[in-house]
Amino acid sequence: QKEVEQNSGPLSVPEGAIASLNCTYSDRVSQSFFWYRQYSGKSPELIMSIYSNGDKEDGRFTAQLNKASQYVSLLIRDSQPSDSATYLCAVNPLYQGGKLIFGQGTELSVKP
Amino acid sequence: DAGVTQSPTHLIKTRGQQVTLRCSPKSGHDTVSWYQQALGQGPQFIFQYYEEEERQRGNFPDRFSGHQFPNYSSELNVNALLLGDSALYLCASSLVQRGGPSTDTQYFGPGTRLTVL
Repeated sequence: QKEVEQNSGPLSVPEGAIASLNCTYSDRVSQSFFWYRQYSGKSPELIMSIYSNGDKEDGRFTAQLNKASQYVSLLIRDSQPSDSATYLCAVNPLYQGGKLIFGQGTELSVKP
Repeated sequence: DAGVTQSPTHLIKTRGQQVTLRCSPKSGHDTVSWYQQALGQGPQFIFQYYEEEERQRGNFPDRFSGHQFPNYSSELNVNALLLGDSALYLCASSLVQRGGPSTDTQYFGPGTRLTVL
């Protein structure tokens, strides 16, 4: 079992729709969770961090964390073609310093 | 406010050679982490430097080594290059949170694309 799992996609949504990206992790005591966006040929760009169970909203983005289910998700409302990118989920396990463990990423395509 | 910078942008080497990649952290940050990202994969943690010492290391061979300088900048060295070392090498900087849980938020530089022929 991979430590952090994401569906590789591609996930295709029409412009204006809600895109839902999912991530599961295996280490039950993980405590910090991050979503990064990576455009083709570029480096990852931080979108959001979340540390507590529940929802965290930032503009069109909402991160959801459920530690009991070991599940974190990212919702993108009113999706735009400029949101087309690979979305990386990253987890910081407890007692492993600043190490981030990444999933393989989900490719999102927003069609005009 | 300068972000994370890396040099060089691209590098082509041959098998067996050695390479040094450089990173300057975001202003105000004191910690540097290095990642390797193969095509189509998520970044893999190589190691992290804090206070000029290796704080954490991933599952990479000893051919991968690093250094952090007093100004917090860092180098990644890879010896005896293999074809499989071809990848995007990412540097991320953060500020260690003292007195609380480890919630270092890491910001990535533009990366160095290494090609080994």
